[in-house]
Amino acid sequence: GAGVSQSPRYKVAKRGQDVALRCDPISGHVSLFWYQQALGQGPEFLTYFQNEAQLDKSGLPSDRFFAERPEGSVSTLKIQRTQQEDSAVYLCASGPSLVSEAFFGQGTRLTVV
Amino acid sequence: QKEVEQNSGPLSVPEGAIASLNCTYSDRGSQSFFWYRQYSGKSPELIMSIYSNGDKEDGRFTAQLNKASQYVSLLIRDSQPSDSATYLCAVKAPRSGAGSYQLTFGKGTKLSVIP
Repeated sequence: GAGVSQSPRYKVAKRGQDVALRCDPISGHVSLFWYQQALGQGPEFLTYFQNEAQLDKSGLPSDRFFAERPEGSVSTLKIQRTQQEDSAVYLCASGPSLVSEAFFGQGTRLTVV
Repeated sequence: QKEVEQNSGPLSVPEGAIASLNCTYSDRGSQSFFWYRQYSGKSPELIMSIYSNGDKEDGRFTAQLNKASQYVSLLIRDSQPSDSATYLCAVKAPRSGAGSYQLTFGKGTKLSVIP
């Protein structure tokens, strides 16, 4: 497909479990963002990649959160030892250049029980 | 802390009217400005981009940017019930020292178009 693809769409994790969320950006897009969105709130920035380089991880809430984009394409957001407060929708967006718009995937809804 | 502020609403307008959505931002170095529409349970969808002062029109949508006032707005003409959604303002600015750009979102304004 031509759009940003995220998987899984839904994930239920038991507290303490590790999870991995995948983002497949639009082909050729340089910029890749991860956001966390709680119900009724705007997306909150987590981290930013320019190609394979993670240039900004200032939004990651704790050292349990880790993201990578090793070949400058697919990105994975990993959350270790999940907690209930990690329950949210995780959104990935990619863009063709540094200053241009970003296009979102469908998101992954994570529920920690 | 870079901030993007929006009135959370809800903003209710009758069908056929003009809906006016407003946004202010704190970072004077911001370079790119976007409006996204988000339906309940869906991800944000880009509807307008604006990069320079003035107005930009696309169909029923007009984005307005005033960098001196740090203000962005979105006008929706001939509002339809299908326009009922949350509208997110987003601002992109270079992040000093990091060589990267940050795309910051407001909390969104909920628009309800009444038939």
